[in-house]
Amino acid sequence: AQSVAQPEDQVNVAEGNPLTVKCTYSVSGNPYLFWYVQYPNRGLQFLLKYITGDNLVKGSYGFEAEFNKSQTSFHLKKPSALVSDSALYFCAVRDLNSSNTGKLIFGQGTTLQVKP
Amino acid sequence: SAVISQKPSRDICQRGTSLTIQCQVDSQVTMMFWYRQQPGQSLTLIATANQGSEATYESGFVIDKFPISRPNLTFSTLTVSNMSPEDSSIYLCSVAFQGGSSGNTIYFGEGSWLTVV
Repeated sequence: AQSVAQPEDQVNVAEGNPLTVKCTYSVSGNPYLFWYVQYPNRGLQFLLKYITGDNLVKGSYGFEAEFNKSQTSFHLKKPSALVSDSALYFCAVRDLNSSNTGKLIFGQGTTLQVKP
Repeated sequence: SAVISQKPSRDICQRGTSLTIQCQVDSQVTMMFWYRQQPGQSLTLIATANQGSEATYESGFVIDKFPISRPNLTFSTLTVSNMSPEDSSIYLCSVAFQGGSSGNTIYFGEGSWLTVV
């Protein structure tokens, strides 16, 4: 079965420092991977995706993610964190092996706290 | 991307009542989905809204409790029936594009935040 794990409930970084939010996945076949962000009292906003091609994917708001097939990871990164990046981040994989190929399976979410 | 509008954005509902949430997309989409996010939790798929046919429900969700309509390629509704406090959640509509620059991407609406008292 497909699954996604975000091993950290919360990540704390100082403004201006680089940030990493970790995600590992378990799928059969090639993964379609996504990162979403949820600001307080808002819905989910799409940040970036990996489907195929370059392992380093660039997305919105200066975020990027690196697909690592050997480590089955898709960590979210940003070179310099902003206080406004503080939010809840979800990693997800598209379940292409079920009868519902549009289904997303989500990790449990990681709260990012950026302190001034 | 897509503009996905949900109504209502928030509501406080009485136990035992039902509420219908609307989802309107600014372009035609093949696949529309309804997710639930319980307080402090991740997202769980309720069902896939199929245009012109019955919705496909995930394990643990049933049509009597969460009836869904999909009359066309831009609109869907989710009804939460006979609500109890356990139904207090964010309900999110999402859509998937199959082609173009947005291909393989799934977008979400702003959610409908329901509190059952």
